[in-house]
Amino acid sequence: GMPVEQNPPALSLYEGADSGLRCNFSTTMKSVQWFQQNHRGRLITLFYLAQGTKENGRLKSTFNSKERYSTLHIKDAQLEDSGTYFCAAEADSGYNKLTFGKGTVLLVSP
Amino acid sequence: EAAVTQSPRSKVAVTGGKVTLSCHQTNNHDYMYWYRQDTGHGLRLIHYSYVADSTEKGDIPDGYKASRPSQENFSLILELASLSQTAVYFCASSGLGQDTQYFGPGTRLLVL
Repeated sequence: GMPVEQNPPALSLYEGADSGLRCNFSTTMKSVQWFQQNHRGRLITLFYLAQGTKENGRLKSTFNSKERYSTLHIKDAQLEDSGTYFCAAEADSGYNKLTFGKGTVLLVSP
Repeated sequence: EAAVTQSPRSKVAVTGGKVTLSCHQTNNHDYMYWYRQDTGHGLRLIHYSYVADSTEKGDIPDGYKASRPSQENFSLILELASLSQTAVYFCASSGLGQDTQYFGPGTRLLVL
């Protein structure tokens, strides 16, 4: 299968709602990055994780290398959270090469 | 925040023509990468480089060449552009031991 499976492909939330995105990996990954792609197409780095959990404001991400998954949790969704979210994982092959998931299109509505 | 710039930001090319996309980073990063993004999909790695004057093939290198003349600059070359190479191209850099990749703003390429 695909090295990085990202779900769901699309997600609709109302303002104030909480939800999560998930990436499953077909093999052991060394690290994961999460990005938001905004309406201008710009990739914004949200998190880099080699293990464990990180939080930044309303966002929280977890990476479990052994269980081969990573999650991104959005709390109290806001309109500006709308965009496409990508996870990208680095296999233990050196040079920090990333394999991307296909993304989750998030729409936050009032 | 790391700075990665790309030029041009958009380009229209003809089939069979030569296209050069340029990337410049001012962060003293050793590693640089070229990715392409097709509508509705994630990014896929075309070429990368870990040192000046050396390039390596990524996951989808066919139809592309790369050049790393200096640590700061990394170019992607389409010798004979084809319709299937219409996409958005992203350049990224990362430092040795600093695994976060920093991305440029992207170049939108349309091949007609």
